[in-house]
Amino acid sequence: QSVLTQPPSVSAAPGQKVTISCSGSTSNIGKNYVSWYQQVPGTAPKVLIYENNKRPSGIPDRFSPSKSGTSATLGITGLQTGDEADYYCGTWDSSLGGFVFGTGSKVTVL
Amino acid sequence: EVQLVESGGGLVKPGGSLRLSCAASGFKFTDAWMSWVRQGPGKGLEWVGRIKSKGSGETKDYAVPVQGRFTISRDDSENTVYLQMNSLKSEDTAVYYCSWSGSSYLFAWGQGTLVTVSS
Repeated sequence: QSVLTQPPSVSAAPGQKVTISCSGSTSNIGKNYVSWYQQVPGTAPKVLIYENNKRPSGIPDRFSPSKSGTSATLGITGLQTGDEADYYCGTWDSSLGGFVFGTGSKVTVL
Repeated sequence: EVQLVESGGGLVKPGGSLRLSCAASGFKFTDAWMSWVRQGPGKGLEWVGRIKSKGSGETKDYAVPVQGRFTISRDDSENTVYLQMNSLKSEDTAVYYCSWSGSSYLFAWGQGTLVTVSS
């Protein structure tokens, strides 16, 4: 079981906003960078956010990250049908000595 | 363009072995840290392990469930990273992705290769 907890699912209508939480501990989110990944069903994941709040080229600013203490959040504004996917947070866990992913959150556009 | 192409997946019996390969292109492989991540059927992402570049000591780190059974290696002359999997169990059934990674995130991913462990 993952050490990072996310809500199983979130949903909203097109154009609205959703937020995905990622709860960890002092050994992971509390002391290391957080990244976020999007996985459209049947395809490989891709990075949306790295080093807490940086977006790779081509990722729109509709994806807005934040981090506080041992938790992180990804907000998606102006929701589009193309945003339907599974989203995972990830970070290094200094106690485990490995990278850990969140449990994953399915975003549904109503 | 960054490309990562995994191969070597297939059906293997419990207790058996399999070696996955990942051919990389489009970036300076010799400086790259490379990771393996897996995803069981209907499940989330699970980090398997990583190998640092030669310049970073070629250190290897593994997830607890695979320690002692899986080994990651690299051939910089072939721009290829490998995952040797021994003593396979049914719970190792998954799509295995290789990834160009850094110390804190995974930059790019391959398309994955399916490993099925079943009698």
